[in-house]
Amino acid sequence: DTAVSQTPKYLVTQMGNDKSIKCEQNLGHDTMYWYKQDSKKFLKIMFSYNNKELIINETVPNRFSPKSPDKAHLNLHINSLELGDSAVYFCASSQSIGGGASYNEQFFGPGTRLTVL
Amino acid sequence: AQSVTQPDIHITVSEGASLELRCNYSYGATPYLFWYVQSPGQGLQLLLKYFSGDTLVQGIKGFEAEFKRSQSSFNLRKPSVHWSDAAEYFCAVGKTGTASKLTFGTGTRLQVTL
Repeated sequence: DTAVSQTPKYLVTQMGNDKSIKCEQNLGHDTMYWYKQDSKKFLKIMFSYNNKELIINETVPNRFSPKSPDKAHLNLHINSLELGDSAVYFCASSQSIGGGASYNEQFFGPGTRLTVL
Repeated sequence: AQSVTQPDIHITVSEGASLELRCNYSYGATPYLFWYVQSPGQGLQLLLKYFSGDTLVQGIKGFEAEFKRSQSSFNLRKPSVHWSDAAEYFCAVGKTGTASKLTFGTGTRLQVTL
């Protein structure tokens, strides 16, 4: 009954490789996010999708390409991995604003620790 | 642009002692404020949130936070810390829009001594 799940939990790969991280939520939310947490624990938003449409794209290299096949899934594909991509990547979801709500909280997945060698 | 400052990188308290973690924010409108906790190797768990209304909000695990608009602060408090509270604590401010974009502070690592 996990609300927001990510696979894999750990990912170790070589520089130059291409890899994907998957995220799924079963909360019925229509908005999903990717955050990056660097080695100093700083968390920064990367992308957000609402109903499969990209709505936030925060100065992220175009080697990173999110894909949302449906509202419940948001995957992150990374091409030509670099050492600096090593981080923990968190997926999150929320219900979009509307119906009288001015803000809806985000629920986070457990994270994927990516190590690039 | 919104921003969050957590001035304390690392705090150590004794078990049973009181705790206050500081958070200051910068945002041009009514802020939506959050505290999240991250235990080692774990994801983020929401402790509490402030959207409007009573400026003292209660959260899970005995935590509370007080919103002070005049000081642009949202400090987290707990009257008696337990060893299991050792973790990283993040303050965040939410920006409304189509998506609820969160901006996080740099976090405060809490160590609890027995």
